[in-house]
Amino acid sequence: AQSVTQLDSQVPVFEEAPVELRCNYSSSVSVYLFWYVQYPNQGLQLLLKYLSGSTLVKGINGFEAEFNKSQTSFHLRKPSVHISDTAEYFCAVSQSNTGKLIFGQGTTLQVKP
Amino acid sequence: NAGVTQTPKFQVLKTGQSMTLQCAQDMNHNSMYWYRQDPGMGLRLIYYSASEGTTDKGEVPNGYNVSRLNKREFSLRLESAAPSQTSVYFCASSPTGGITDTQYFGPGTRLTVL
Repeated sequence: AQSVTQLDSQVPVFEEAPVELRCNYSSSVSVYLFWYVQYPNQGLQLLLKYLSGSTLVKGINGFEAEFNKSQTSFHLRKPSVHISDTAEYFCAVSQSNTGKLIFGQGTTLQVKP
Repeated sequence: NAGVTQTPKFQVLKTGQSMTLQCAQDMNHNSMYWYRQDPGMGLRLIYYSASEGTTDKGEVPNGYNVSRLNKREFSLRLESAAPSQTSVYFCASSPTGGITDTQYFGPGTRLTVL
């Protein structure tokens, strides 16, 4: 069965510092991976997704993620965060036979001034 | 273009009461989903509808029922609410339900069961 593990429940970081949010997945078949962001009191919206091709995926708001098949990881990075990046971030894998999303537990990014 | 809308935004119920959460999308998507979000557990799928006229159970369907009223609308019903159903509920839709689809989420309904 496919699963997703987000290794950090909370990540505090100062404004303008770099950040990495970690995500590991388990799957025995081809994977399609997603990062969604949830700003306070809002629904989720797509940051980026990996379907195939280049392992470095660029998303909105300056975020990028790298698919690493050997390490079964899909970590999210941003070189310089802003206060407005404070949100909860979810990694998800698309279930291969149904297309349903399996979400990780979420990581709260807290950007401090 | 409103995307995915949900009503109500907030609701407080007493144990045993029933209610229906409404969801509508105006993107002509085929597939729709209901999730619940609980702290530290991410989002868990309750029910989904791959296309108009079909519904299937997700990971946590017990205590819920759904209706895909038409292509636009997908409602979630709690027949006899329990405190364990206190959660934030999200509706989502996607164009085809395919494995590469992006899902589009509504703003959520915050439900408290006393």
